[in-house]
Amino acid sequence: EAHLVESGGGLVQPGRSLRLSCVTSGFIFDDYVMHWVRQAPGKGLEWVSSISGDSGSTAYADSVKGRFTISRDNAKTSLYLQMNSLRAEDTALYYCATSTGGWSGDFDYWGQGTQVTVSS
Amino acid sequence: EIVLTQSPGTLSLSPGERATLSCRASQILSSSYFAWYQQKPGQAPRLLIHATSNRATGIPDRFRGSGSGTDFTLTISRLEPEDFAVYYCHHHGGPPHSFGQGTKLEIK
Repeated sequence: EAHLVESGGGLVQPGRSLRLSCVTSGFIFDDYVMHWVRQAPGKGLEWVSSISGDSGSTAYADSVKGRFTISRDNAKTSLYLQMNSLRAEDTALYYCATSTGGWSGDFDYWGQGTQVTVSS
Repeated sequence: EIVLTQSPGTLSLSPGERATLSCRASQILSSSYFAWYQQKPGQAPRLLIHATSNRATGIPDRFRGSGSGTDFTLTISRLEPEDFAVYYCHHHGGPPHSFGQGTKLEIK
């Protein structure tokens, strides 16, 4: 069974950077599209970014484009999210998720999330 | 960008009752790329329904998804205590991905 564990969250000042990680196991990591989804306190789900299995394709929500970078290391079965120029509105619980169905697949498995708080 | 609007925002029902949750899209969607998730407090979302009407692994048959075009529905035939949670619809036809704002199913 797929297992995803996020880390790297924390309290950071506006304008600073943070790098999130998602370590996975239990599935063939290279084969799956991976995503970051966030959830602001008391709010719904917001898709953030996606990356293909070979890292050849990436996509970003308009709200993070130009500030966030998604990447993966297939040898380490890990997903990353480099977050720069952080804003208060980036405060959220960040989940990583898989898509076994490819670029247009549903989000089959989710981690438990890592909390990011942007505040001075 | 596709906007998904869920209704009602909150649904108050008793165990044993039938729940009907709706999700309306701002444009016609392919039923192949429509999913539902359940989220309980303090937990990650869990995939319930994929491709509009297919239950994910381990999901009991009291959960049923249906719909086409712009209107999609999640029906829970007989509510169990563990079904009270927040439910999200999701269009995953390719980035950008869209989620509905959620329907909270609470115990009456």
